[in-house]
Amino acid sequence: GENVEQHPSTLSVQEGDSAVIKCTYSDSASNYFPWYKQELGKRPQLIIDIRSNVGEKKDQRIAVTLNKTAKHFSLHITETQPEDSAVYFCAAGGNTPLVFGKGTRLSVIA
Amino acid sequence: DSGVTQTPKHLITATGQRVTLRCSPRSGDLSVYWYQQSLDQGLQFLIQYYNGEERAKGNILERFSAQQFPDLHSELNLSSLELGDSALYFCASSPSDRVATEAFFGQGTRLTVV
Repeated sequence: GENVEQHPSTLSVQEGDSAVIKCTYSDSASNYFPWYKQELGKRPQLIIDIRSNVGEKKDQRIAVTLNKTAKHFSLHITETQPEDSAVYFCAAGGNTPLVFGKGTRLSVIA
Repeated sequence: DSGVTQTPKHLITATGQRVTLRCSPRSGDLSVYWYQQSLDQGLQFLIQYYNGEERAKGNILERFSAQQFPDLHSELNLSSLELGDSALYFCASSPSDRVATEAFFGQGTRLTVV
């Protein structure tokens, strides 16, 4: 089955700097790659997703890139703000339920 | 608000007991997924139901079972509870049985086994 690895597990950046989180997946049949943000004590919420027919997608300060050949995808957050502090999860799926990475705890230091 | 409702929000019970967690999906969503979130394991997929039928199984223990009713709400039953079952249990829903779309999460049920 699908296996998703996510790095780093923790990330601290200064406010205004960029943050990058990377994930790899194992199942070449996966075609949907969402990113979820989870604030403390709350439910995971989708922030951006990408499908296998697209290499890059951007939404304001957030972007995701996908390299299907290498089976890896990344989340890029620019101009980070304190409210970006949270745990971020990548996931992979498509014809099977989403498999999540173990999460990255992002801390944005003001 | 995602439109997915989970009850109860918190549950404290003793080892060896049995509990039932309930989930109502978003209106129109036919798929329901159950995930377990513990501190060191992230979000672990347990089981998926689609329109009343089991569709996929993940790392679900034999002590755990689930079902989806005709009105599409779902219940996750956890029995012979152990301390290690303490976790946050999330339900998510999506329109399709093929997860090529966003899965919407409920607020979760925090289970504490003492």
